[in-house]
Amino acid sequence: DVKVTQSSRYLVKRTGEKVFLECVQDMDHENMFWYRQDPGLGLRLIYFSYDVKMKEKGDIPEGYSVSREKKERFSLILESASTNQTSMYLCASSLDFYTGELFFGEGSRLTVL
Amino acid sequence: GENVEQHPSTLSVQEGDSAVIKCTYSDSASNYFPWYKQELGKRPQLIIDIRSNVGEKKDQRIAVTLNKTAKHFSLHITETQPEDSAVYFCAARNSNSGGSNYKLTFGKGTLLTVNP
Repeated sequence: DVKVTQSSRYLVKRTGEKVFLECVQDMDHENMFWYRQDPGLGLRLIYFSYDVKMKEKGDIPEGYSVSREKKERFSLILESASTNQTSMYLCASSLDFYTGELFFGEGSRLTVL
Repeated sequence: GENVEQHPSTLSVQEGDSAVIKCTYSDSASNYFPWYKQELGKRPQLIIDIRSNVGEKKDQRIAVTLNKTAKHFSLHITETQPEDSAVYFCAARNSNSGGSNYKLTFGKGTLLTVNP
């Protein structure tokens, strides 16, 4: 059973703080993703990675960066958090990039004050 | 890039009725169409998917139909139950490697409420 674990379920940060969201998967999946979920806007892709140290921008990468130093771990970084980054962040992994099922984590709800 | 429109945004049905959620996509090269269900406070999970070489796929009470000519696909849930209450997301992608639409694009979601 695939497990995708996000380190923090709830975070409250102040504007300008640096924020790290960590995600770990235990199924040796090549592909990992970070999505942002906002009411009425669905799931929007921020960044994804198809291999260690490889990353590609998704649809809304501005204000975010990512790190993938190990296959099982994919981190989302907000260099200087802003209030418009208050959202639910979902990490996902998949075995097959093109037709593989996405396995999501429980989500990290970030509030930026 | 791909654009996926999903309707309706909310849907309320009585237990036992059928529910239909529709999505349209813009990129004719898209050929993989999954549906995810997200219960309140939980993670999205894949419930069914369809590839463009078939027109319909069923799994117990859920089915998905695809009309490639019209570029739309639909989720059908029969004999709805309260546990079907959730947000449902459709998505589309061109699964051929090297295609321009290689990222999975989601619709905005449909909140389905099944009233007992």
